[in-house]
Order: sequence, then structure tokens, then C-alpha cells
Amino acid sequence: DAGVIQSPRHEVTEMGQEVTLRCKPISGHNSLFWYRQTMMRGLELLIYFNNNVPIDDSGMPEDRFSAKMPNASFSTLKIQPSEPRDSAVYFCASSLTGGSGNTIYFGEGSWLTVV
Amino acid sequence: AQSVTQLDSQVPVFEEAPVELRCNYSSSVSVYLFWYVQYPNQGLQLLLKYLSGSTLVESINGFEAEFNKSQTSFHLRKPSVHISDTAEYFCAVSWGFGNEKLTFGTGTRLTIIP
Repeated sequence: DAGVIQSPRHEVTEMGQEVTLRCKPISGHNSLFWYRQTMMRGLELLIYFNNNVPIDDSGMPEDRFSAKMPNASFSTLKIQPSEPRDSAVYFCASSLTGGSGNTIYFGEGSWLTVV
Repeated sequence: AQSVTQLDSQVPVFEEAPVELRCNYSSSVSVYLFWYVQYPNQGLQLLLKYLSGSTLVESINGFEAEFNKSQTSFHLRKPSVHISDTAEYFCAVSWGFGNEKLTFGTGTRLTIIP
């Protein structure tokens, strides 16, 4: 079975450019998460969706970040304009909700470098 | 504030020696506890989890963790490590039934010395 699929795997962009990261969750999963990983801050939850609806976006750093989930099989995380401090690995993850304790499955990550 | 603490950022261990990676959490409500492993340049994979029942949980590759409510700990152990265990290990917690959010610790990098 296919896992969580993220694209692009690697992106290098110039400061000020728009960046769009894409995610396809595991089929049948109804919760989707976006995490950011940096050396300084570790793993941070940016936002999560349940049944395509954003439930908690308190981790989104600022208005330059936005996330959408137009349907159950696709989500995007957009940064506009991008800044060097946004350089990080961005992970998408999904789970099947049935109460707490459901396993969250991670994608391979999108490695973003903003120069 | 709810938090997860992994006190050791790096743990070097000789091959075939035992290892313990420590995890403590702050909470006064029900918790669900997880250990995830991240191999180099990969995403995180679930290693094991505690939801309820027996306080000792095991993984398929020889790791085990014990839920200790009185000490609010969920330490990860393995009696004999292998080179292939080299990775970063993250403890994670979700608080309360119906809470889908996982809060991760800062991670412990396990390095196996041949």
C-alpha cells in the first residue's frame, strides 16, 4: 500500500518566492497533519485537518503560511513570501481517527531551502 | 503547560550493549504515549505505543517501553543494540481522549559504536 506521498522531496528557492508543498494522505485516512522539523525547534505541529476541515492551526507561524485541504486525498502548504528562516523539513502525516491513540503515518518529508 | 522532555540529546552506545532512552511528560489527565524512530533522511515511523492495559509494550525489533504513571515516564529500552539501530528516537504524547494532536519531544540521537 502507498504511504503518505509528499512533493517535492527537495526544493531550493530564493527569498520572496512562493513555495507550495503537496501531500497525498493514505487512502481512507481522515486526519492530516503538517509538521515542520528544524535543528533549533525540533518537530512542530503547524496545522491539522479532520475530514478536510482545519481543526487546529495554532502552530502556523504567521500569515505567510497557509494550508488547504480541498478533498480527502490532497492537501497543500503554501509559504508566500518565503524567507531563509523557513528552511526546514516539512512533514505531512495522516491517521484514521477513532479516538486518541491512532497511529500517525508520516511521509518522507519535503526538504526546503530558502536562499 | 503540557510538555514532553527527552533529557538526552545524544546517546552513544557500544554494539550489543543495553540502552535506555528517557522520556518524561507533564500531565494530570489520560495520556497516550508513543515512540517514533527516524532513520537518516527519512520520515518518522512508529516504533511502539501505549494506549491502555499492560504498562510494558514491545516493538517487533526488540525495543520495549514501560509506562510509569507515578513518575510520568515512558522510557525506551533495548537489552542489546545493533548498528542498524542508529537513528533518532522521538517520544510523543497525546493528552485526553479525542485529542488527535501529538506533541513530540526534542529527540535523542542514538549512535552505535562498533
